[in-house]
Amino acid sequence: KQEVTQIPAALSVPEGENLVLNCSFTDSAIYNLQWFRQDPGKGLTSLLLIQSSQREQTSGRLNASLDKSSGRSTLYIAASQPGDSATYLCAVRGTGANNLFFGTGTRLTVIP
Amino acid sequence: GAGVSQSPRYKVAKRGQDVALRCDPISGHVSLFWYQQALGQGPEFLTYFQNEAQLDKSGLPSDRFFAERPEGSVSTLKIQRTQQEDSAVYLCASSFLSGAPEQFFGPGTRLTVL
Repeated sequence: KQEVTQIPAALSVPEGENLVLNCSFTDSAIYNLQWFRQDPGKGLTSLLLIQSSQREQTSGRLNASLDKSSGRSTLYIAASQPGDSATYLCAVRGTGANNLFFGTGTRLTVIP
Repeated sequence: GAGVSQSPRYKVAKRGQDVALRCDPISGHVSLFWYQQALGQGPEFLTYFQNEAQLDKSGLPSDRFFAERPEGSVSTLKIQRTQQEDSAVYLCASSFLSGAPEQFFGPGTRLTVL
């Protein structure tokens, strides 16, 4: 079974800092990897999706990379803002599968 | 609305009660998923539908959990004889095609079993 791990579990940074969130997965036979944001009491908002053939995706201040062979992905957030405070979840979809396997998330706090 | 909707948003049940959670996917979306998210954890897969067919129910934790999607649109997740360990947020997601890469999530139903 695919296992997804996210480090760190929680992170607190001052506003304006660049930061990196890490995700690792045990089975490299993936179809895609997706980063989500979850605000308290809310559902999941998709941030970036990387297909298995891609190495990175960018959207605004966010950049996600994928190294399938080593089973790792990183989410880079540039110039963090208090509004970025949320839990960030990494999810992997396996080859031939439909469902997602999620990590336990990184809870980010950006201090004004 | 344009997104996935779920109802109720919050449900409190006494241990042993049956509950039914509803999901309205995005119109026209073929695939529908249910996930369970315990406090402080990531969501875990429960079951998957393609139209009205339940193609994968490997994540359902016990035979007390039952899901249906009779007309290929709205889905209901039913939990019989609820237990305290069933307390969690239940998330529904849909995608346009069975092979579509992106899943769109609803706000979830927070179930508390007393």
